[in-house]
Amino acid sequence: GQQLNQSPQSMFIQEGEDVSMNCTSSSIFNTWLWYKQEPGEGPVLLIALYKAGELTSNGRLTAQFGITRKDSFLNISASIPSDVGIYFCAGQLKPGNTPLVFGKGTRLSVIA
Amino acid sequence: NAGVTQTPKFQVLKTGQSMTLQCAQDMNHNSMYWYRQDPGMGLRLIYYSASEGTTDKGEVPNGYNVSRLNKREFSLRLESAAPSQTSVYFCAGSSGTGGAGELFFGEGSRLTVL
Repeated sequence: GQQLNQSPQSMFIQEGEDVSMNCTSSSIFNTWLWYKQEPGEGPVLLIALYKAGELTSNGRLTAQFGITRKDSFLNISASIPSDVGIYFCAGQLKPGNTPLVFGKGTRLSVIA
Repeated sequence: NAGVTQTPKFQVLKTGQSMTLQCAQDMNHNSMYWYRQDPGMGLRLIYYSASEGTTDKGEVPNGYNVSRLNKREFSLRLESAAPSQTSVYFCAGSSGTGGAGELFFGEGSRLTVL
């Protein structure tokens, strides 16, 4: 099946630092999304991107849909302890009911 | 609003036993999905239902069956559980139109097969 290469696999950062993670694929995607999963919970949507080049922010989070439509990145500015969790990128190859393909996740730990 | 509700939240089975994971949503979603999550593997799609009355295989369907009972409910059945099916299972729904990638997940069902 389709694969999304998400990196890094894990990160340990100091509170207040900025974080950057990305997702790449050999396939062209119609939609890119970023989800966050906290321990014991299901993933929650953070940001959805629908156009190549689109840059969207949600508070301290900023995500971009790559120009080639084969990649996306997520930045978190001024990290805080509640940013801890697993961040997943996801892509949708076609619009409509086409299921998402998920990356393997980036586990973020924030040291206070 | 309950959103997406999964039952049970925890289950321990012996190899060969059967069970059904239930999922219900009150968000009027057209599409529903079952994923499994394993350490280091991310979320892998088992089955999905694009609309009431239809079901399709995902990436890892072997050993599972699904039923879209009505628009609200989508169940996942393990007919003969195997240790390889030890995992956390997530049900999700989406409107299937416009923001079709915007999945809403349940809290997960943690299954252990001994």
